[in-house]
Amino acid sequence: GAGVSQSPSNKVTEKGKDVELRCDPISGHTALYWYRQSLGQGLEFLIYFQGNSAPDKSGLPSDRFSAERTGGSVSTLTIQRTQQEDSAVYLCASSHSTDTQYFGPGTRLTVL
Amino acid sequence: AQSVTQLDSQVPVFEEAPVELRCNYSSSVSVYLFWYVQYPNQGLQLLLKYLSGSTLVKGINGFEAEFNKSQTSFHLRKPSVHISDTAEYFCAVFSGGYQKVTFGIGTKLQVIP
Repeated sequence: GAGVSQSPSNKVTEKGKDVELRCDPISGHTALYWYRQSLGQGLEFLIYFQGNSAPDKSGLPSDRFSAERTGGSVSTLTIQRTQQEDSAVYLCASSHSTDTQYFGPGTRLTVL
Repeated sequence: AQSVTQLDSQVPVFEEAPVELRCNYSSSVSVYLFWYVQYPNQGLQLLLKYLSGSTLVKGINGFEAEFNKSQTSFHLRKPSVHISDTAEYFCAVFSGGYQKVTFGIGTKLQVIP
């Protein structure tokens, strides 16, 4: 079956612009995670959706970051007023309950 | 809270030599443990996992890991590495009380010909 997909694969934007990153999880997976991977920083947790529960937003670095998950499926991560330090690869993963996470290929964001 | 410590940020090793990548975790409840691998310019994929049962877990590509509850460790091992094993390896922990997966910062394995 289809895996996790993310779009766009690459995004170049100017400082101060807003960007939206999309994640299509594997059908039927109840959990969806967003991570940020910066050079030398490892995998940084951003936000976690589990079913119909309120999302765990504890990893969002500032109020410029937000995410939503519509209908328990597709998720959008929005970064407002982008800064150069937002440049990173943004990874999405989905899983069925507590088991293996399946990762998408990521979106590489470059803020000029 | 739960946390994961990967003690080595980079590990160089000669081809066909054995390797051990270290992972320690902290959690106050029972845990599930994972190792993921990220090859250059690719996404992460599962290498192996421990959910319950035997503490020695075998994964893909000849890797194995042993869950040691008393030492709160889940070290990854391979008896003989190949050039193709060059990648970044992430240890991760999930505990029921925390309801979230936490990743370590990763260990870059560089296999030298």
